[in-house]
Amino acid sequence: AQSVTQLGSHVSVSEGALVLLRCNYSSSVPPYLFWYVQYPNQGLQLLLKYTTGATLVKGINGFEAEFKKSETSFHLTKPSAHMSDAAEYFCAVSEAGNNRKLIWGLGTSLAVNP
Amino acid sequence: NAGVTQTPKFRILKIGQSMTLQCTQDMNHNYMYWYRQDPGMGLKLIYYSVGAGITDKGEVPNGYNVSRSTTEDFPLRLELAAPSQTSVYFCASSGVGHQETQYFGPGTRLLVL
Repeated sequence: AQSVTQLGSHVSVSEGALVLLRCNYSSSVPPYLFWYVQYPNQGLQLLLKYTTGATLVKGINGFEAEFKKSETSFHLTKPSAHMSDAAEYFCAVSEAGNNRKLIWGLGTSLAVNP
Repeated sequence: NAGVTQTPKFRILKIGQSMTLQCTQDMNHNYMYWYRQDPGMGLKLIYYSVGAGITDKGEVPNGYNVSRSTTEDFPLRLELAAPSQTSVYFCASSGVGHQETQYFGPGTRLLVL
């Protein structure tokens, strides 16, 4: 069965530091991969997604992620954290087959310290 | 464009009561979803719909029902509310497939006492 693992349920960084949120997946076929962000008391919104093509994907707010098939990873990075990046981040992968429902990771809460 | 709207924002139910969570989207999306979110548990898919008149179970459908009579609306019905249904409920929609960007509503916080 496919799965998504987000390493670290809580990550804390200083303002201006590198943000690295880890996501590993298991999939028997080339997956579609997503990162969504949830700000406090809001719904989720798409940060970025990989479907096909270039493996380095750029998203909103300076975030990017790289699809590494050999490592089955899709880690999210941002060179310099801002206070406004404090939020919950979810990685998701689409199921194989015709249905392609999303399988969600448990989320990583990012805290940004001044 | 309002996107995806949900009502109510917050509700307290007594055990055994019923209620309907409303969800409407104005993006003419075919796919619609209901998720529940519990602390530390990520998102769990309750039901989804691929078009008007078509619904299917997700990961955690027990205790819930849905209908999709129009493209815009996808209400979620809770019958005989239980404390285990205390959660935050999100409705979402996407164009023509699960792998497309899902647009989420602001959520409904439900407390069952």
